[in-house]
Amino acid sequence: QKEVEQDPGPLSVPEGAIVSLNCTYSNSAFQYFMWYRQYSRKGPELLMYTYSSGNKEDGRFTAQVDKSSKYISLFIRDSQPSDSATYLCAIGTDKLIFGTGTRLQVFP
Amino acid sequence: DTEVTQTPKHLVMGMTNKKSLKCEQHMGHRAMYWYKQKAKKPPELMFVYSYEKLSINESVPSRFSPECPNSSLLNLHLHALQPEDSALYLCASSQESEGEETQYFGPGTRLLVL
Repeated sequence: QKEVEQDPGPLSVPEGAIVSLNCTYSNSAFQYFMWYRQYSRKGPELLMYTYSSGNKEDGRFTAQVDKSSKYISLFIRDSQPSDSATYLCAIGTDKLIFGTGTRLQVFP
Repeated sequence: DTEVTQTPKHLVMGMTNKKSLKCEQHMGHRAMYWYKQKAKKPPELMFVYSYEKLSINESVPSRFSPECPNSSLLNLHLHALQPEDSALYLCASSQESEGEETQYFGPGTRLLVL
């Protein structure tokens, strides 16, 4: 079993849709939970980070962590074509372990 | 300023060449990282420097040689690379603060080994 699992997609949604991206992890010792967005041929850009269970909101983005289920989610409201990218979850303690990334396509 | 810069943006080198990748941050971060990312794959950790000392080497071949001249700079020296080393090389930095470990990535150097 991989330490961090993420559905690779691709996920294709119409503009304005609510997008849900998810990762599961196996090690209950993991403390940091992050979401990165990566556009094609660019470095990952930090979107959200948290280290506790619950929800964290930033604009159209909400990060959710459920430590009891070892499950994290990123919700994107009112999705835009500019949100089209690969979204990587990253989880860890002293070092980050990345999910495989979910490719998201938002069409007009 | 939450920027990590990397140079060059693109690099093409032959298998006998010696080249260096450079990374710089001025956020006062004390941990810096090198990652390798192949197409459509997540980043893979190569090296971690903490307070300018190498703290993690993920069994990377010796043809990759990291160097941290000071707290703002991180280099990756390349020698006798193989075509399969062609990838995007990403630098990141972080500053532990109250237990959080938030890494900020540079734009990467796209390396092609011929």
